[in-house]
Amino acid sequence: EAGVAQSPRYKIIEKRQSVAFWCNPISGHATLYWYQQILGQGPKLLIQFQNNGVVDDSQLPKDRFSAERLKGVDSTLKIQPAKLEDSAVYLCASSLEAGGNQPQHFGDGTRLSIL
Amino acid sequence: GQSLEQPSEVTAVEGAIVQINCTYQTSGFYGLSWYQQHDGGAPTFLSYNALDGLEETGRFSSFLSRSDSYGYLLLQELQMKDSASYFCAVREGTGGFKTIFGAGTRLFVKA
Repeated sequence: EAGVAQSPRYKIIEKRQSVAFWCNPISGHATLYWYQQILGQGPKLLIQFQNNGVVDDSQLPKDRFSAERLKGVDSTLKIQPAKLEDSAVYLCASSLEAGGNQPQHFGDGTRLSIL
Repeated sequence: GQSLEQPSEVTAVEGAIVQINCTYQTSGFYGLSWYQQHDGGAPTFLSYNALDGLEETGRFSSFLSRSDSYGYLLLQELQMKDSASYFCAVREGTGGFKTIFGAGTRLFVKA
């Protein structure tokens, strides 16, 4: 089966600019996750969707980050305006369901650098 | 609050056995997962424990003790390709099966 697809692979922008990331999960996976991974740290959950509904966005900085999952398939994550501290790898993952024993399948991520 | 603790680095020699520990503090605990991540790569799922005991998958085994809020990943017959970061992750049920990752353990395998 095809894996989780993300684009772009790399992005460099200046602070205060905006940026968007795209994710296409594995076909049939109901649950989609966006994580932020800062160098040397573990992935931090930003938002979790179950189909096209938000399950958890408690750690999403809502003043600058937004995400949507239209039609319960693809998803986009946007940052506007970007800050230096947003430099990180943004990982998208998907799983069949949200149940505890369901492994999360990760994409290769988008490496974001803020100048 | 939620927290996970694991060693930051572990070094072992090829062919040896290494154990990576993880202690956690969380509410609504459902299970403990382990993920492997090579530099520049995506995390990949290794194992999941919801009940106490040992789960074995090839060279890798994972253990959970819910009463001690403790688990470990055991890697046997270490190979150079096992050099990577290993993350424990808690699945908690408050607010819909949220996953909390630890900071990761960097494993260096030497020849």
